[in-house]
Amino acid sequence: NAGVMQNPRHLVRRRGQEARLRCSPMKGHSHVYWYRQLPEEGLKFMVYLQKENIIDESGMPKERFSAEFPKEGPSILRIQQVVRGDSAAYFCASSPSLVPGQEQYFGPGTRLTVT
Amino acid sequence: TQLLEQSPQFLSIQEGENLTVYCNSSSVFSSLQWYRQEPGEGPVLLVTVVTGGEVKKLKRLTFQFGDARKDSSLHITAAQPGDTGLYLCAGHGSGNTGKLIFGQGTTLQVKP
Repeated sequence: NAGVMQNPRHLVRRRGQEARLRCSPMKGHSHVYWYRQLPEEGLKFMVYLQKENIIDESGMPKERFSAEFPKEGPSILRIQQVVRGDSAAYFCASSPSLVPGQEQYFGPGTRLTVT
Repeated sequence: TQLLEQSPQFLSIQEGENLTVYCNSSSVFSSLQWYRQEPGEGPVLLVTVVTGGEVKKLKRLTFQFGDARKDSSLHITAAQPGDTGLYLCAGHGSGNTGKLIFGQGTTLQVKP
């Protein structure tokens, strides 16, 4: 059973470009979460999605950031007009359901560098 | 706002020593999870504790959930260089939205 897959593993963008980060959850998992880890900081929640629905986007910056989890295909985190402060590791996690204490399994992350 | 505070932030010890990492909050959590993260990789789940007072063992690692479910600890016995890494505690936020709140992490270095 393959784990959570993320691609690309490393992404370099110049200021003003768009970044697209992809996440394929574990087989059988319908809940996807995105987290961001800035240098020297812990992981911060960004958004929680189920298929075709955004459930909680309370951690997502209001501008330039968007996320989707379509009926078919991977979840996408999109960052428009990237700035240097967006440089970070972005992690996707998945879980099979939402019950108290449900465990989340993380992918290897995408390291975004904005030059 | 629910927060998790980990201590210590950094720990450097010799192989064979014992250590304890603490994860504290003023809020009650329905469950707490411990992860280990190596450089360039994602967090790997070690254990989930759900019941107040619960103790779980994973080889040389012992995890405890406080009676009031506000704190947790990770104790490693006879640490080995392979234990080196970033240890993170995380709890589910209130409202059962699924989001995890993470502590800042404890960087452990075990020297041979």
